Amino acid sequence: EAEVAQSPRYKITEKSQAVAFWCDPISGHATLYWYRQILGQGPELLVQFQDESVVDDSQLPKDRFSAERLKGVDSTLKIQPAELGDSAMYLCASSLRGGQLATGANVLTFGAGSRLTVL
Amino acid sequence: AQKVTQAQTEISVVEKEDVTLDCVYETRDTTYYLFWYKQPPSGELVFLIRRNSFDEQNEISGRYSWNFQKSTSSFNFTITASQVVDSAVYFCALSEAQTNAGKSTFGDGTTLTVKP
Repeated sequence: EAEVAQSPRYKITEKSQAVAFWCDPISGHATLYWYRQILGQGPELLVQFQDESVVDDSQLPKDRFSAERLKGVDSTLKIQPAELGDSAMYLCASSLRGGQLATGANVLTFGAGSRLTVL
Repeated sequence: AQKVTQAQTEISVVEKEDVTLDCVYETRDTTYYLFWYKQPPSGELVFLIRRNSFDEQNEISGRYSWNFQKSTSSFNFTITASQVVDSAVYFCALSEAQTNAGKSTFGDGTTLTVKP
């Protein structure tokens, strides 16, 4: 069964260091999402891409976070510099192209996540 | 702004009991979608169901059933004859079709523990 691949699964870093997460969505899924999930809370959208274009990055802390999806396939989320409050699970999800609602375009398939601990 | 509230933080039941997880939502859109996702201890969220705002028909899938009531802005999830494997965190989510149908806002989840 097709899945969303994420790496690394776990990352421990020190405050002020740079961190990067990678995501490879399900083949054919035009829309890619990065969510952040703090322990005990629900996922919160950081950035949404359709192909290589950003659809929504209103909740992305742009002073330290950046995301790209250069060829409209895989994506990288970067944090520089990392802060203690960034400790969380970073979830990548993908879905069909936005206009395909009838066939489940907003049904998200999630990866296993990347758990970040900032010391 | 859209909002999802799952008032039950944790629920514990004994195997074979029925359990209902509550979800209340807020939205100004007339066209929206509601979802339930399951997050087992392994961590990967798994899609369970999607309903659109025009379809209030309740749905049953095996031991799972969902009750959608627009009048009370609720989309509750019932597990009948619970099993240990049902232990997980369950999230309710909402997306607004007129704003950004792909953007789901999640509640904070309900942790369900089913004891043998």
